[in-house]
Amino acid sequence: NAGVMQNPRHLVRRRGQEARLRCSPMKGHSHVYWYRQLPEEGLKFMVYLQKENIIDESGMPKERFSAEFPKEGPSILRIQQVVRGDSAAYFCASSTGTGSQETQYFGPGTRLLVL
Amino acid sequence: GENVEQHPSTLSVQEGDSAVIKCTYSDSASNYFPWYKQELGKRPQLIIDIRSNVGEKKDQRIAVTLNKTAKHFSLHITETQPEDSAVYFCAAINDYKLSFGAGTTVTVRA
Repeated sequence: NAGVMQNPRHLVRRRGQEARLRCSPMKGHSHVYWYRQLPEEGLKFMVYLQKENIIDESGMPKERFSAEFPKEGPSILRIQQVVRGDSAAYFCASSTGTGSQETQYFGPGTRLLVL
Repeated sequence: GENVEQHPSTLSVQEGDSAVIKCTYSDSASNYFPWYKQELGKRPQLIIDIRSNVGEKKDQRIAVTLNKTAKHFSLHITETQPEDSAVYFCAAINDYKLSFGAGTTVTVRA
């Protein structure tokens, strides 16, 4: 039973380029969450999605960031016109449901470096 | 929103000794408290969790306690081993949103 998958594991972009991060949830999970981890800090919630729906994007920066979870395929976190401050590890997590006590399982993360 | 504070930020223990990490949370509606272990460059891995209707939970060398009245919860690792060296994060969940503490870097000295 494969866990949460993320790709790429490492991504290098120059300032102004676009970054696309992909997340495939665990089998049987229909809820995806994205978190950002800055160096030597904890994880910060960004967005919560279900298939074809953004449920809560309160942690997403207002500009340049977007997320989707289409009916088919992985969830995508897209960062347009990247800046150095976007350099971080981006983790997605998935769960079976939205209950307040649902365990979230994390993927291996994508480490984004903006030059 | 929820605010989780975690102490200490670093912890160095002799192999075989115990390690204790403490967290407090602000939102009394939070009802699920997982603990994650993160090794350098790897994903956070769930090591133990506790739900609001339970005061204590133990799994081999790891135990977690929860005091809902005081809004704090703690992780206890007994008989520490070198492989316990990692960053540990506490978290609280309200509805679906995990709020993490800032992490505790645990170093187990051989």
